[in-house]
Amino acid sequence: DTEVTQTPKHLVMGMTNKKSLKCEQHMGHRAMYWYKQKAKKPPELMFVYSYEKLSINESVPSRFSPECPNSSLLNLHLHALQPEDSALYLCASSQYRGNSPLHFGNGTRLTVT
Amino acid sequence: DQQVKQNSPSLSVQEGRISILNCDYTNSMFDYFLWYKKYPAEGPTFLISISSIKDKNEDGRFTVFLNKSAKHLSLHIVPSQPGDSAVYFCAASANTDKLIFGTGTRLQVFP
Repeated sequence: DTEVTQTPKHLVMGMTNKKSLKCEQHMGHRAMYWYKQKAKKPPELMFVYSYEKLSINESVPSRFSPECPNSSLLNLHLHALQPEDSALYLCASSQYRGNSPLHFGNGTRLTVT
Repeated sequence: DQQVKQNSPSLSVQEGRISILNCDYTNSMFDYFLWYKKYPAEGPTFLISISSIKDKNEDGRFTVFLNKSAKHLSLHIVPSQPGDSAVYFCAASANTDKLIFGTGTRLQVFP
């Protein structure tokens, strides 16, 4: 069982919808991440939060909006997505920033119609 | 520009034998390297890591070797088991939050 929990597991949304992806960890980790993975490609970093503050935004379009309400929770708000945004969205956490292994959730499979 | 490369998209190994997965990188600033295993419909699972101050790290059946002069790392799995069949990603970082992943190698362990 993964210690990083992501909900929902699957999400289908239209281009005009607003939805949110949720991520939770209870390992006391202080850094949390959103990654995006397309089929047959490696995961690509989107956002990093460290101590609940956004520390890295990898030039992600504004239709993706991250939020870190507290040290255990990470959300990704989605609005006006495009079909090419369909992908596996992975949340991860690590004990601290820098050289510390990331622990991933099982992801949310997003399909934009 | 792919800074972390896994040139073998797939590898097939008999159960009980050694699996060797390879990874090359181009950024000399990388100082921390990791290997992840990924099953379908699951997130990557952390296997083992190595800091650039070491050239070998071992954890059970898994050993990672780092050759800094060649900018090359490898993961050895011995003995290989059918449950090891998965996609393996190497990843690297330069003491930042940004982990760069390789393209992955699909390992199949057959009986």
